[in-house]
Amino acid sequence: AQSVTQLGSHVSVSEGALVLLRCNYSSSVPPYLFWYVQYPNQGLQLLLKYTSAATLVKGINGFEAEFKKSETSFHLTKPSAHMSDAAEYFCAVSERGFQKLVFGTGTRLLVSP
Amino acid sequence: NAGVTQTPKFQVLKTGQSMTLQCAQDMNHNSMYWYRQDPGMGLRLIYYSASEGTTDKGEVPNGYNVSRLNKREFSLRLESAAPSQTSVYFCASIDLGQGEEKLFFGSGTQLSVL
Repeated sequence: AQSVTQLGSHVSVSEGALVLLRCNYSSSVPPYLFWYVQYPNQGLQLLLKYTSAATLVKGINGFEAEFKKSETSFHLTKPSAHMSDAAEYFCAVSERGFQKLVFGTGTRLLVSP
Repeated sequence: NAGVTQTPKFQVLKTGQSMTLQCAQDMNHNSMYWYRQDPGMGLRLIYYSASEGTTDKGEVPNGYNVSRLNKREFSLRLESAAPSQTSVYFCASIDLGQGEEKLFFGSGTQLSVL
């Protein structure tokens, strides 16, 4: 069965600093991988997805993630954090065919001035 | 275009009471899902419906039932609520036929069971 592990339940950065949120996956077949963001009192919104095309995936709001098969990782980065990036971020994995999406436990990003 | 609509937004139940959470989508999506979100545990799949007329269990189906009433609507029922079912519930939908592989989420239902 597929799963994802997100390292760090909380990550704190200063405004303008690099954002790095870590995600490692486990899947017996080539996976689809996703990053979702959740703002307070809202549902989840898709940031970006990897579905076997380019390994470096660009998403909305300046975020990107790189699929590294050898490391079974799909870390999320943004070169310069903005106050509006403060939210909870979820990594997710599904097997091809996308019948079920399995989410990680989430990482809360805190951005200080 | 409302997307995915969940009702109610908030609900407080006593142990043993029953209730139904409603979800409707207006995007003509085939697949619909119910997740629960708990602190430190992320989102866990309760039930899903790959297409109208079908439903399947997810990771945590015990204590819940679902009905795919038609293509638009997918309801979640708690027959006898327990404090362990205190959570935030999210409905989501997707149309895999479009190759989008993007889940659209409702804004959630916050449920407290006393």
